[in-house]
Amino acid sequence: NAGVMQNPRHLVRRRGQEARLRCSPMKGHSHVYWYRQLPEEGLKFMVYLQKENIIDESGMPKERFSAEFPKEGPSILRIQQVVRGDSAAYFCASSPPIGSTQYFGPGTRLTVL
Amino acid sequence: GQNIDQPTEMTATEGAIVQINCTYQTSGFNGLFWYQQHAGEAPTFLSYNVLDGLEEKGRFSSFLSRSKGYSYLLLKELQMKDSASYLCAADARDDKIIFGKGTRLHILP
Repeated sequence: NAGVMQNPRHLVRRRGQEARLRCSPMKGHSHVYWYRQLPEEGLKFMVYLQKENIIDESGMPKERFSAEFPKEGPSILRIQQVVRGDSAAYFCASSPPIGSTQYFGPGTRLTVL
Repeated sequence: GQNIDQPTEMTATEGAIVQINCTYQTSGFNGLFWYQQHAGEAPTFLSYNVLDGLEEKGRFSSFLSRSKGYSYLLLKELQMKDSASYLCAADARDDKIIFGKGTRLHILP
C-alpha cells in the first residue's frame, strides 16, 4: 500500500509565476489536508478537503491560494502570482473515512526566487 | 482560542531518558497526537491518546491528562537516530488537528 504521494518534491518559481502542488492520498483515504511549514516553525493548517468538497479552508490565505480534490485524480494546491514569502515546505496528509490519524506525504519544497 | 505549547529545544544523552511536555487549549478535543519529524522529512505518526493515562509502545510512551490539558512523550534508551523534532498535536473539533511548533531534540553521544 503506497503512502501519501506528493509531487514535485522540489519546485522553484520566480515571483509572479504560478505553483501547482499535487497530492495523492493513501489508498482508501478520502480526506486530504494541506499544511505549510516555514523553517523553524510548526505545521500550519491550510485546508481540509474531501472528494469534490472543501470542508474547511480557514487556514488558507484569501487571495492567490486555492485547493481542489476532484472526483478523479490528485488533490491540487495552487498558488498564483507567487511571492518570496510563499517559500516553504507544503505537506499533504490523508486520513481514512473513519479515524483521525493523518499520514503525511514527503512534502513539496517551494522556493520563490 | 487554540494553543499548543511545548519546549522549543531539549538536549539529552545517548542511552538516557527524556520527557517532552505539551500543554494544549482547544475549543474541542478528541485526542492528542505525537509525531516525529526528522529535518527535511515528513512527520511520521508516533502515538494517539484518547483516554487518560500512559500508553507504552516500545521505547516510546505517551501520557495524557484531559482534565489538565497536558501530555508528555517519554523516550527511553535514547539513540542518536532519535535526534529529531517532536510535534504535539491536538485532535480538535471537526477533524482539525492543531500542531504545536515542535520540540527539537538533540542527542549527545
